[in-house]
Amino acid sequence: RKEVEQDPGPFNVPEGATVAFNCTYSNSASQSFFWYRQDCRKEPKLLMSVYSSGNEDGRFTAQLNRASQYISLLIRDSKLSDSATYLCVVNIPSGTYKYIFGTGTRLKVLA
Amino acid sequence: GAVVSQHPSWVICKSGTSVKIECRSLDFQATTMFWYRQFPKQSLMLMATSNEGSKATYEQGVEKDKFLINHASLTLSTLTVTSAHPEDSSFYICSARVSSGDRNPYNEQFFGPGTRLTVL
Repeated sequence: RKEVEQDPGPFNVPEGATVAFNCTYSNSASQSFFWYRQDCRKEPKLLMSVYSSGNEDGRFTAQLNRASQYISLLIRDSKLSDSATYLCVVNIPSGTYKYIFGTGTRLKVLA
Repeated sequence: GAVVSQHPSWVICKSGTSVKIECRSLDFQATTMFWYRQFPKQSLMLMATSNEGSKATYEQGVEKDKFLINHASLTLSTLTVTSAHPEDSSFYICSARVSSGDRNPYNEQFFGPGTRLTVL
């Protein structure tokens, strides 16, 4: 089983739609969780850290379910500019604070 | 947020040559930097963890003699791809972690813009 799993997509949605991504992780001792956004041929950029209580930033909402070992990202009112690959990242509990990346979920928002 | 730079942003070289990539944290000190590699349509794979003043820790399957890492200061880590071959062509990305736990309770990493290496 992969340490971090995501549905690669692509998710093709019309503008204005609501779309949700899930990500599962295998290490129950994982400490920190993030969603990164990566545009084609660019570096990942932090979208949101995922807090235990869940958090919201504008149209984006992230949730953490430790019991089931998954995190989710909800995007409301999708914009064309939201088209990108969304990477789920888990920080494993080691002295070096390593990130483990999921394979990413591709989102295409269509006009 | 914290800024990380990489140089060069892209490089084309002949097979057998060595290529050095620099990763700098511009406005913060980073005792730990990470080097990743990303092949087309794949996710980022951690190659090694670079610790200032000590040897790098390599992930399983990454040859330490081929990918030389030097973390000489709190703001600079370098990755040298020695005797590069076409299969080393990839997108190399570094990241840096802010040193203080209080300032970085979620262990956030900041990524450089990446270096695209093409070996002919």
